[in-house]
Amino acid sequence: GAVVSQHPSRVICKSGTSVKIECRSLDFQATTMFWYRQFPKKSLMLMATSNEGSKATYEQGVEKDKFLINHASLTLSTLTVTSAHPEDSSFYICSATGTPDYEQYFGPGTRLTVT
Amino acid sequence: QKEVEQNSGPLSVPEGAIASLNCTYSDRGSQSFFWYRQYSGKSPELIMSIYSNGDKEDGRFTAQLNKASQYVSLLIRDSQPSDSATYLCAVLGGSSWGKFQFGAGTQVVVTP
Repeated sequence: GAVVSQHPSRVICKSGTSVKIECRSLDFQATTMFWYRQFPKKSLMLMATSNEGSKATYEQGVEKDKFLINHASLTLSTLTVTSAHPEDSSFYICSATGTPDYEQYFGPGTRLTVT
Repeated sequence: QKEVEQNSGPLSVPEGAIASLNCTYSDRGSQSFFWYRQYSGKSPELIMSIYSNGDKEDGRFTAQLNKASQYVSLLIRDSQPSDSATYLCAVLGGSSWGKFQFGAGTQVVVTP
């Protein structure tokens, strides 16, 4: 299957700082990337959908100014958590798909802890 | 009503038995269906995709799709302790074109 990498895998930061998470499709061109967050023992929550070269589409309730998404190329999308607070601590997972009708492949996730 | 529904479990299955997981969806226009496995603390891993009515087999896994009943299932044969995980049903297409709708997941526990 297709491979999606995510970096960093784990990050601890202080409240008020910003954190950037990278998501890369390693062996295919990702026309669409998705960003999710997941709290312990809870289901995936879609945050935004990102298409290469266009603005991300955010889900209701997700602050676009807090969670900045950039999909600069067909293999790279970034999520920046700005002015992070402890309530932003979560497991952030990206995924990518080559076409709208194909499988969605997940990155390994980034565990963010804000102290 | 949730768009994709699964029993949360846990589903306890003896080692070597068949685990049967069910998923129903509400959008009749949905066209693509997927099963993911998620181990605790890890991200989801694609197991199966199915697009047409009927059965699709891959190793110990069989996915079954019935679009008329809006129902998709996953069978795990000869269950192993390593199959203990949460299984997510995902649906694509219909009114949410391009965006996956995930079920909450069914936790499977395979007991030796």
